Amino acid sequence: AQSVTQLGSHVSVSEGALVLLRCNYSSSVPPYLFWYVQYPNQGLQLLLKYTSAATLVKGINGFEAEFKKSETSFHLTKPSAHMSDAAEYFCAVSPNNNAGNMLTFGGGTRLMVKP
Amino acid sequence: KAGVTQTPRYLIKTRGQQVTLSCSPISGHRSVSWYQQTPGQGLQFLFEYFSETQRNKGNFPGRFSGRQFSNSRSEMNVSTLELGDSALYLCASAQGRATGELFFGEGSRLTVL
Repeated sequence: AQSVTQLGSHVSVSEGALVLLRCNYSSSVPPYLFWYVQYPNQGLQLLLKYTSAATLVKGINGFEAEFKKSETSFHLTKPSAHMSDAAEYFCAVSPNNNAGNMLTFGGGTRLMVKP
Repeated sequence: KAGVTQTPRYLIKTRGQQVTLSCSPISGHRSVSWYQQTPGQGLQFLFEYFSETQRNKGNFPGRFSGRQFSNSRSEMNVSTLELGDSALYLCASAQGRATGELFFGEGSRLTVL
């Protein structure tokens, strides 16, 4: 069985500061890992995806994430926060064994950006 | 290219009633999956359909069901509604069978009174 843990349900940063959102996973097989973002009253949008190629994955809007197998982590970072980054962020895992598009999501981290 | 369309966007039902939600995927996408989002339980997988066949099912009671049509449009149905079914129901489509790259609709917000 797979699971995802996001440390910190709320994270607050100042505009221009580093964004770090934490995600740890457990999976019995090498997983696919994802970060999705949800803006208020909208569905989720894919930020980036790890599929066992490069361990550092670059996504949209300046976000990137690094897969660390030894730490079972896939933390999301952005060097400089912008007001428009305020949203809820979800880490998700999927087995890479052709199990379909069934994702297990973490509990989410709400990012607040202070001016 | 039009995105994933879900209807209705908002609805209110009473306990014991049933509800049907509809989802039109992005053109060319054959995989449609459904998720329930609540403040307490977060995002939980309901089921996934690919080419009209249910491929995966989450841990929900049999009151929750779905289907997919030949044009890839999907519906989900919840019978005998309970207060705890109040949630945002999100539909997502994907081009392939196992990419994990989901395109989500804006959801149908169901309130059960």
